[in-house]
Amino acid sequence: ILNVEQSPQSLHVQEGDSTNFTCSFPSSNFYALHWYRWETAKSPEALFVMTLNGDEKKKGRISATLNTKEGYSYLYIKGSQPEDSATYLCAFNTGGFKTIFGAGTRLFVKA
Amino acid sequence: NAGVTQTPKFQVLKTGQSMTLQCAQDMNHEYMSWYRQDPGMGLRLIHYSVGAGITDQGEVPNGYNVSRSTTEDFPLRLLSAAPSQTSVYFCASSYGASGAYEQYFGPGTRLTVT
Repeated sequence: ILNVEQSPQSLHVQEGDSTNFTCSFPSSNFYALHWYRWETAKSPEALFVMTLNGDEKKKGRISATLNTKEGYSYLYIKGSQPEDSATYLCAFNTGGFKTIFGAGTRLFVKA
Repeated sequence: NAGVTQTPKFQVLKTGQSMTLQCAQDMNHEYMSWYRQDPGMGLRLIHYSVGAGITDQGEVPNGYNVSRSTTEDFPLRLLSAAPSQTSVYFCASSYGASGAYEQYFGPGTRLTVT
């Protein structure tokens, strides 16, 4: 059974802090790794998809890296803002039709 | 584009009742899927479809049926509701069936089974 682990489960930071979270996944049969942002009372929205070892993606203050050999991805937020408060999901795919989601990291940014 | 739409937003059922959760997308996406979200757990795949007329089971298919008669619609049927099916249900779609495509999610249906 494929398992995707995210840590920490939740995180409280002050406005302006930089932060990062981890997604761990099986290193064998890797095809793609996704990050989604899920605000309360809304639907998950895609942030990044990465497919190659060493991939780095960036969108504004948010960036992500991928290490497929050791099975982890980091999501970084630079200078957190209250509007960054959300649950960040990672999702792993082995090339088939099924994507496995982690339980998410819930970020709270205090003004 | 409306994107992915789901109805109803909320539903309360009694044990043993059946119902259908509706999902539609207007992006001409090939791949559609149903997930359930429970506290402390990731989104779990119930069923998916890679095109009209083609469906298959996900991780947690028991108690649910799906069909895909058109590209746009992918309804999820609860055959005989049980309290264990109390959850939030999300429908999603993506351009292709390859796992490298991002999924677009609907607003969710919150289902309570008493």
